[in-house]
Amino acid sequence: EVQLVESGGGLIQPGGSLRLSCAASGFTVSSNYMSWVRQAPGKGLEWVSVIYRGGSTYYADSVKGRFTMSRDNSKNTLYLQMNSLRADDTAVYYCAGGPNSSGFDYWGQGTLVTVSS
Amino acid sequence: SYELTQPPSLSVSPGQTASITCSGNKLGDKFACWYQQRPGQSPVLVIYEDKKRPSGIPERFSGSNSGNTATLTISGTQAMDEADYYCQAWDSDTAVFGGGTKLTVL
Repeated sequence: EVQLVESGGGLIQPGGSLRLSCAASGFTVSSNYMSWVRQAPGKGLEWVSVIYRGGSTYYADSVKGRFTMSRDNSKNTLYLQMNSLRADDTAVYYCAGGPNSSGFDYWGQGTLVTVSS
Repeated sequence: SYELTQPPSLSVSPGQTASITCSGNKLGDKFACWYQQRPGQSPVLVIYEDKKRPSGIPERFSGSNSGNTATLTISGTQAMDEADYYCQAWDSDTAVFGGGTKLTVL
């Protein structure tokens, strides 16, 4: 059974940093297309970033230069380093992925990030 | 930047057919997929590559994509289908989601 478990969310002040993790089981992160997707309270889904099998990463304009996505193949874990956080980064952050880029087959349960003073 | 547009809401009676549209420039040239999200839950992929159903998704869910519009069709809609539905496509190396459609079954 595939499981993606996010962690690392919490309350952080504007301008602060946070690192999210997504631990995978029954599923090899490095063999799949993996993304972070966020959802602000009461709002729709917003794609954040992707890491391809080869390791290339791409980001939404809204987070480019502030967020960095990476993975640790030995731990089968995905990361999202978030710097210079702003109030509009407040959201539930999901990791999601699948064997190809045509859809996100698997989703975690999400971790809530709240940016507030 | 690329945009996908969905109607904010749709109501359907039980047993009827619900059709949710997703519009984007030359969307038919891309693969579209659809997600269902029930309140308090993570999204679930219900259609990928325009019309394919993942394992475990009921046959009443179907999809199409041509021109500028992708459509998710739910035949014989059931109360359990009440949820938010999002379309998604890739534009270059960027994933784009539609704004979502709240489907009400009443």
